[in-house]
Amino acid sequence: SQQGEEDPQALSIQEGENATMNCSYKTSINNLQWYRQNSGRGLVHLILIRSNEREKHSGRLRVTLDTSKKSSSLLITASRAADTASYFCATDALSNYQLIWGAGTKLIIKP
Amino acid sequence: ETGVTQSPTHLIKTRGQQVTLRCSSQSGHNTVSWYQQALGQGPQFIFQYYREEENGRGNFPPRFSGLQFPNYSSELNVNALELDDSALYLCALQGNTDTQYFGPGTRLTVL
Repeated sequence: SQQGEEDPQALSIQEGENATMNCSYKTSINNLQWYRQNSGRGLVHLILIRSNEREKHSGRLRVTLDTSKKSSSLLITASRAADTASYFCATDALSNYQLIWGAGTKLIIKP
Repeated sequence: ETGVTQSPTHLIKTRGQQVTLRCSSQSGHNTVSWYQQALGQGPQFIFQYYREEENGRGNFPPRFSGLQFPNYSSELNVNALELDDSALYLCALQGNTDTQYFGPGTRLTVL
């Protein structure tokens, strides 16, 4: 079963615009991670936010976490064509080893 | 570039056959997790190995088995292949942090 639910399922924007993706989960977590996947290949770790953190930045990425609403958002600013990929959130709700994943948001950046 | 390699990259098998997938890294990560990712879905946790012992298992039948070797490389074995086993199989290595580093995956097609 999947713990996380990403929203929207797909997002298409113009290059240079900001992209926002959301993730909701069901149970308490220790941390939440965001990953990117290009064309059905391996997943690349983007950022990890712990349950006691509310916001985290990494380059053009900004992640927020609201544990009261069991939700997180990933903001990509000044999008580039190379950002075209699927984005997944993963949580460690059941243990610190088993990551539970959502179905992902497919992001398309139009040049 | 995560430094995690998987072999083979693609594989075609028929129902009932057995398959072995491999994962390795140049770095000494002591924890390896295996995931199954069906098309358009997020990864599903199969199992994890820590120091050559199974450390946790997802909702997969016993015909999915694994090994971790002293050099931290790992194998995923699937017996009696079924059509629904067709998927991208990902291994992820983890050291002393919560971040998992994924290989590029093996795409298995069962005919």
